[in-house]
Amino acid sequence: AQKITQTQPGMFVQEKEAVTLDCTYDTSDQSYGLFWYKQPSSGEMIFLIYQGSYDEQNATEGRYSLNFQKARKSANLVISASQLGDSAMYFCAMREHNNNDMRFGAGTRLTVKP
Amino acid sequence: DAMVIQNPRYQVTQFGKPVTLSCSQTLNHNVMYWYQQKSSQAPKLLFHYYDKDFNNEADTPDNFQSRRPNTSFCFLDIRSPGLGDAAMYLCATSPQIFRDQPQHFGDGTRLSIL
Repeated sequence: AQKITQTQPGMFVQEKEAVTLDCTYDTSDQSYGLFWYKQPSSGEMIFLIYQGSYDEQNATEGRYSLNFQKARKSANLVISASQLGDSAMYFCAMREHNNNDMRFGAGTRLTVKP
Repeated sequence: DAMVIQNPRYQVTQFGKPVTLSCSQTLNHNVMYWYQQKSSQAPKLLFHYYDKDFNNEADTPDNFQSRRPNTSFCFLDIRSPGLGDAAMYLCATSPQIFRDQPQHFGDGTRLSIL
């Protein structure tokens, strides 16, 4: 069974600094996708970035990058140059090959301090 | 813009009074999902439709049902809401079930039970 672990319930970062949010996963499948979502207090889930298990390069999307270490089964999200608007819950999720389910971790609440 | 729309954003119902939440999409995606998210927790998958095929999660209470009359619309029916059903309900879509496809979420409906 899939399992996603986010060990940081809450994180603080100073505005304009970088922050890393941790995510580890467990799967016996060789083909899977990893996702990060942002959920502001208003409730919507916003897709940020995707990493495929066979991708050799770490994914990047603007200020977001994914530090993918396949052997360690980790997929940490790095946010560079933090902004006040980055304050939100962040969820790591995984989807196995041809599997309808997307399983989410417990989330990390990020607070950006001015 | 193509999107996933949930109505209403906030819904209040009485204990035991049936309630229906709606979701529509202009993305023409084959798969539609319903999640329940309680405060400070990860979204929990209730069920999904792959086209017209309904797939129920094993631990989804019988109290929860769903209808998908066409590609664009999907409904969540709660037959006899209990206090424990107060939560945010998120609708999501994806084109297919492949591992590299993110789910696109609506803004959610926050359900309160009186």
